Amino acid sequence: GESVGLHLPTLSVQEGDNSIINCAYSNSASDYFIWYKQESGKGPQFIIDIRSNMDKRQGQRVTVLLNKTVKHLSLQIAATQPGDSAVYFCAGGEGSQGNLIFGKGTKLSVKP
Amino acid sequence: DSGVTQTPKHLITATGQRVTLRCSPRSGDLSVYWYQQSLDQGLQFLIQYYNGEERAKGNILERFSAQQFPDLHSELNLSSLELGDSALYFCASSGSGSTGAQYFGPGTRLTVL
Repeated sequence: GESVGLHLPTLSVQEGDNSIINCAYSNSASDYFIWYKQESGKGPQFIIDIRSNMDKRQGQRVTVLLNKTVKHLSLQIAATQPGDSAVYFCAGGEGSQGNLIFGKGTKLSVKP
Repeated sequence: DSGVTQTPKHLITATGQRVTLRCSPRSGDLSVYWYQQSLDQGLQFLIQYYNGEERAKGNILERFSAQQFPDLHSELNLSSLELGDSALYFCASSGSGSTGAQYFGPGTRLTVL
């Protein structure tokens, strides 16, 4: 069935290191993917999105890579900071106004 | 701040009761989505409205209903509440961006006792 899932439930990195959060998806019809960050007690916060016809997109300190061949995407965070500690979700969607299918989330912990 | 507002922030009620959650989308966004987040289920899509009309339905129980008003704010009505309905309820909105990126509100934490 349709699903978007994450490889690892938790990730611990040292402050200043780069973080890589992975996500696998099963729905080949997804037109785009989005990464969200959710801090405790808050709503998911949009980080970056990528259309399915792209394989890489960069933002401020973040890069999303999409490999459609193996149905995998990743979020790379450069120079990880304590403020990056949160749960990260990937989500896939179809069409410009469709609902999103979310993965379970990866908890990122940044050690000072 | 995403620009999406939700009220109330917290809601405590008893089983069997009915509650209404309110959401105001970002200025200009026509689509509103409702999600439920519980510890064991993650973020689950409930329902979507676009410019006042229901657009898509997800895992929404028959005890739950929603509507979107002419001013584009939306309400989620939860009735005959059960203990298992305790969760975070998020509203999100989207506009006419290149992807369907949705912007989430701060959520309403519902506790059913």
